[in-house]
Amino acid sequence: QKEVEQDPGPLSVPEGAIVSLNCTYSNSAFQYFMWYRQYSRKGPELLMYTYSSGNKEDGRFTAQVDKSSKYISLFIRDSQPSDSATYLCAAGSQGNLIFGKGTKLSVKP
Amino acid sequence: DVKVTQSSRYLVKRTGEKVFLECVQDMDHENMFWYRQDPGLGLRLIYFSYDVKMKEKGDIPEGYSVSREKKERFSLILESASTNQTSMYLCASRGSTDTQYFGPGTRLTVL
Repeated sequence: QKEVEQDPGPLSVPEGAIVSLNCTYSNSAFQYFMWYRQYSRKGPELLMYTYSSGNKEDGRFTAQVDKSSKYISLFIRDSQPSDSATYLCAAGSQGNLIFGKGTKLSVKP
Repeated sequence: DVKVTQSSRYLVKRTGEKVFLECVQDMDHENMFWYRQDPGLGLRLIYFSYDVKMKEKGDIPEGYSVSREKKERFSLILESASTNQTSMYLCASRGSTDTQYFGPGTRLTVL
């Protein structure tokens, strides 16, 4: 079993939709959780990170972690065509970081 | 802002050539990483380094070596490039926090 599982998509939504991206993880020792955004042919850029269960909000983005069910989510409100990218979740502990394979999102105008 | 740069965005090499990929970070980070990224396989860790001249194998080190002579620079070496090493190569660095910062990537094609 992979340590961090992520549905690869692709996911296509109309502009303005609420997007939900999800990951599950298997290692209960993971202490920190991150979301990266990767545009085509570019390196991943850090979008959000959190160390605890609950929600963390940054503008149109909300990261949610449920440690009891080992579930990580990213919500995007009022999605824009510029949000079209691959989103990578990551989880880790003690300096290690395990990445999901990424979900490709397309937001149609 | 953390800045991680990679020496080339695109590289084309022939089978059997020795290939050097360079990565430089400007934030005095101790930890640096090399990944490759392939469709359907995600990011796979090749090597990482937690200090100058220190290195550790990642999940797929075969066919690769690394060099870290200075804190800011981490090099990935393909001793004899093969077609199955055609990939996107990503360098990352990490300081005292747990977040990794990535470079723009090098898309390597081995013919």
